[in-house]
Amino acid sequence: DTAVSQTPKYLVTQMGNDKSIKCEQNLGHDTMYWYKQDSKKFLKIMFSYNNKELIINETVPNRFSPKSPDKAHLNLHINSLELGDSAVYFCASSRTSGARLRNEQFFGPGTRLTVL
Amino acid sequence: QQQVKQSPQSLIVQKGGISIINCAYENTAFDYFPWYQQFPGKGPALLIAIRPDVSEKKEGRFTISFNKSAKQFSLHIMDSQPGDSATYFCAASPTGSGTYKYIFGTGTRLKVLA
Repeated sequence: DTAVSQTPKYLVTQMGNDKSIKCEQNLGHDTMYWYKQDSKKFLKIMFSYNNKELIINETVPNRFSPKSPDKAHLNLHINSLELGDSAVYFCASSRTSGARLRNEQFFGPGTRLTVL
Repeated sequence: QQQVKQSPQSLIVQKGGISIINCAYENTAFDYFPWYQQFPGKGPALLIAIRPDVSEKKEGRFTISFNKSAKQFSLHIMDSQPGDSATYFCAASPTGSGTYKYIFGTGTRLKVLA
């Protein structure tokens, strides 16, 4: 069983288009995240949702809009795609209750977005 | 700005050798320090983590050494194997953030030669 899944795995699109990436976790976690990994492998948090509430928004352009319909899903919609948006986007989840050392973040397999 | 500096950027080790990756943080109180391992085409996965109230944590061949006064921590991989070849990220979680926020280091690409 896949713990954190993302769709699609690959996304190739033209500049200016709008696209969405979906994420689902079946771990019963209450917090979900979006990270961006650039071509140099640098991994940076974009958003975090706890119980469907936005907790972290790390100065991400407002072309990026996360949506959490329920605790198990966190989708990322990107408007007016730009060349610089090309990256691998990772969804992650964690359980924020209980002892902290158990609250690891579980990452999905990533979505490689290429903007032409 | 909160930062976690990681070195080296890449590392080549012979099979059976020791791989050492270092991280340092600046000025901000962090209270949770995980290390993540990422294989090509996969998402990062937790390898080992430590809190600053201990100076060392060992799990199998992997050890974290933590120096609170120097604000440095390192990952040691003993008896390195070709299957350890991956990118390793240190991370730090600021005090009070729960696990809402990790600040990742820039990554170290490890290659273990057979």
